[in-house]
Amino acid sequence: DAGVIQSPRHEVTEMGQEVTLRCKPISGHDYLFWYRQTMMRGLELLIYFNNNVPIDDSGMPEDRFSAKMPNASFSTLKIQPSEPRDSAVYFCASSFRGWNYGYTFGSGTRLTVV
Amino acid sequence: SQQGEEDPQALSIQEGENATMNCSYKTSINNLQWYRQNSGRGLVHLILIRSNEREKHSGRLRVTLDTSKKSSSLLITASRAADTASYFCATDESGYSTLTFGKGTMLLVSP
Repeated sequence: DAGVIQSPRHEVTEMGQEVTLRCKPISGHDYLFWYRQTMMRGLELLIYFNNNVPIDDSGMPEDRFSAKMPNASFSTLKIQPSEPRDSAVYFCASSFRGWNYGYTFGSGTRLTVV
Repeated sequence: SQQGEEDPQALSIQEGENATMNCSYKTSINNLQWYRQNSGRGLVHLILIRSNEREKHSGRLRVTLDTSKKSSSLLITASRAADTASYFCATDESGYSTLTFGKGTMLLVSP
């Protein structure tokens, strides 16, 4: 398995633009997590899915953020409109049966909003 | 909210020395996990220790867990330059399916 695949690796966009981050989890994993990492706040959980269903989105900072998982092999995180304070590294991770066996992280998308 | 807090924030040692990082947490847990993050990369799962375990080994890694003190330590023996990375502890809060990560310890191993 190629691991968790995220795209793009880097994204630079102007304030107000829509940004879509993509994630392909490991086949057979039933949980998918979106985290955001900044120097100030560390790793923050944004939202997670179980069997493609969103379970907890309480970490999503604002209505500008939305996430979908249309099938077991694909998820998107969308920011519309983007703001400079959204600049961060966004990680997708997947796991089998939640936290019990550890998470596999993707390489992340470094987002810069100018 | 941060569940695990690592200490120290940064650690600088020479190759061959041992590195010890500590993690403290606040609530009861089912398990505690350690991850490594190389610069510009995603986190990599290193080791998981369950709440009924006190010590676990994996290669040059040794993890201890003291649930009475709500603390864990990660020991890397005979460190190498390739061990240079940030190390994070992560905990579950009982009943939840997610992990909460600390802010990490940045380890620098000099040749």
